[in-house]
Order: sequence, then C-alpha cells, then structure tokens
Amino acid sequence: EDKVVQSPLSLVVHEGDTVTLNCSYEVTNFRSLLWYKQEKKAPTFLFMLTSSGIEKKSGRLSSILDKKELFSILNITATQTGDSAIYLCAVYSGAGSYQLTFGKGTKLSVIP
Amino acid sequence: DAGITQSPRYKITETGRQVTLMCHQTWSHSYMFWYRQDLGHGLRLIYYSAAADITDKGEVPDGYVVSRSKTENFPLTLESATRSQTSVYFCASTKNRARREQYFGPGTRLTVT
Repeated sequence: EDKVVQSPLSLVVHEGDTVTLNCSYEVTNFRSLLWYKQEKKAPTFLFMLTSSGIEKKSGRLSSILDKKELFSILNITATQTGDSAIYLCAVYSGAGSYQLTFGKGTKLSVIP
Repeated sequence: DAGITQSPRYKITETGRQVTLMCHQTWSHSYMFWYRQDLGHGLRLIYYSAAADITDKGEVPDGYVVSRSKTENFPLTLESATRSQTSVYFCASTKNRARREQYFGPGTRLTVT
C-alpha cells in the first residue's frame, strides 16, 4: 500500500522565521511529488517535482526532492501570517495510475 | 474564467437519503476526480474519470456512484447516505496528460444526520 508521511503534523512559528516541512513516501513505481497549500478552502497547487535534486522555487517557497532517500522538503523563508495553512504533500505512483496519494498534512501557524 | 465549481457548497441530509453532489469545470480537462477529506485521514480518492463515459474506483468507493456523460460534469451520488459519509468533498480536474497538477473545486461540506 502506498504511503505518504508528513512531519511535523503541526508547527507554530513567528513571522520572519524560516520553516522546513518534510514529506517521506513509500510507493510503488514513483512518478512525481506535488505540494499543495490549503487554507480554509480548496487545496491550491504549489509545486510538482519529478527529478531528484532539482529545486523548484517560487518567491519565498522552495522545494527539493530526493528520490534516493524517498523524501521531499518544502522550505518557507521569512514567513508571514498569510503563510498560515495546511501544507499537503501528494505522490503519483504506479504504471498507468492516475491516483494521487496524499499525506495528512502539516498545519503551519505563523504568529505576529 | 469559472474554472471548477461545485454545488451545493453545504448540504445537510438524513441517513438513508440519496444525495448528489455536482462538479462542473470549464477547462475541458479530460481527467476529473472526487476526494473526501476527513480529520485524521487527509484527502482520499473516491472515484476518478479519464474521459466521458470512463470512470474508475479510487481508494474509498463504497457507497458512492459516479457518472460522466459530458466532459465538463462529474456528479457524485451517495445512494443511501450514512453518518460515516459526513465529510468535505472536493472535486478536482487535470489536463489531458495524466499525472499533472490537479486543480480543486471549492468543496462541498456534507453532514448526514
């Protein structure tokens, strides 16, 4: 059974801090890993990573994938209160499979 | 650009009733998905569809039925609602290639009493 585990489950930081969110996976025939941000509504897409070691970056957010060690990290620098959300990691796996397996998420709270 | 919409946004129903949740997308995406999100479980796939008239089960399909007669619509029906189906339901879609980023609708909060 495919498994995606995120850590920590929740995190409280002060504005301006840098945070690292972790996602490890055990899946059959890994294809790609995606990060989403979920505020009080639908998840919104952040990044998709398919190749190991390549960093994807968007403003203060960045992510990297390690296919050998089977994990990814999402970094947020200079956090703001607007970064408060649940961050979801999801993996595509298997030949011909269109199913995304999601982790349970990391709830990030940024306090002023 | 309407994107992907869901209706109703909130629904309260009684055990045993049939309920249909609607999903509509304006992007002409081939792939559409239904997820449920519960505390402690995260997002779990119920059903997905690769094109009109092609559907397949996900991780938690029991008690649900889907259809896809038109590319843009993907309704989810709970044939006989149970309390365990109380959840937030998200519809998602993705472009013609598989395994691309999925875009989510705003969700339907369903309560079964």
